Amino acid sequence: AQSVTQLDSQVPVFEEAPVELRCNYSSSVSVYLFWYVQYPNQGLQLLLKYLSGSTLVKGINGFEAEFNKSQTSFHLRKPSVHISDTAEYFCAVTPRGGKLIFGQGTELSVKP
Amino acid sequence: DVKVTQSSRYLVKRTGEKVFLECVQDMDHENMFWYRQDPGLGLRLIYFSYDVKMKEKGDIPEGYSVSREKKERFSLILESASTNQTSMYLCASSSVPRGAYEQYFGPGTRLTVT
Repeated sequence: AQSVTQLDSQVPVFEEAPVELRCNYSSSVSVYLFWYVQYPNQGLQLLLKYLSGSTLVKGINGFEAEFNKSQTSFHLRKPSVHISDTAEYFCAVTPRGGKLIFGQGTELSVKP
Repeated sequence: DVKVTQSSRYLVKRTGEKVFLECVQDMDHENMFWYRQDPGLGLRLIYFSYDVKMKEKGDIPEGYSVSREKKERFSLILESASTNQTSMYLCASSSVPRGAYEQYFGPGTRLTVT
């Protein structure tokens, strides 16, 4: 069975600082990996995805993530955050053709 | 753009009531999903459907049922609402045949059962 662990439930950071949100997964089969973002009082929207190919994936709003198969990780990074990046971020994994399994979420709080 | 709409943003119901949550998508997607979202638990899959009149149980189906009579509409039913069903409910859809990834989400319905 697959599982996803987001290692930080809350990440406070100052505006213009870099940020990394950590995600580890476990799976005995090949998987696809995703990061979703949920702004306050909204549904989730796709930030980026890894299906195959280059392990460095670029998404919307300046975010990127790196797939590390040996460490079974898919950490999300942004070199300089804005107040508007304040949101909850979810890592998700699916075995190819299966259901999405979400992590517990990380609340990113960007302070001025 | 894909649009997934949910019938209510906020809903307050009494214990024992039958509750219907409606979800409509406008992109002719085959797959539709219902999740509940609780703090610290992420999203948990309740039910999903790969086609009209088809449904499959997710990870937490107890106390819920679903209906998919038309391709664009997927309803979640709480037969007899209980206080432990107070939660945020999110509907999603995707187009990949029998594939769950790259889902498009509605804005959510925050249900309070008193």
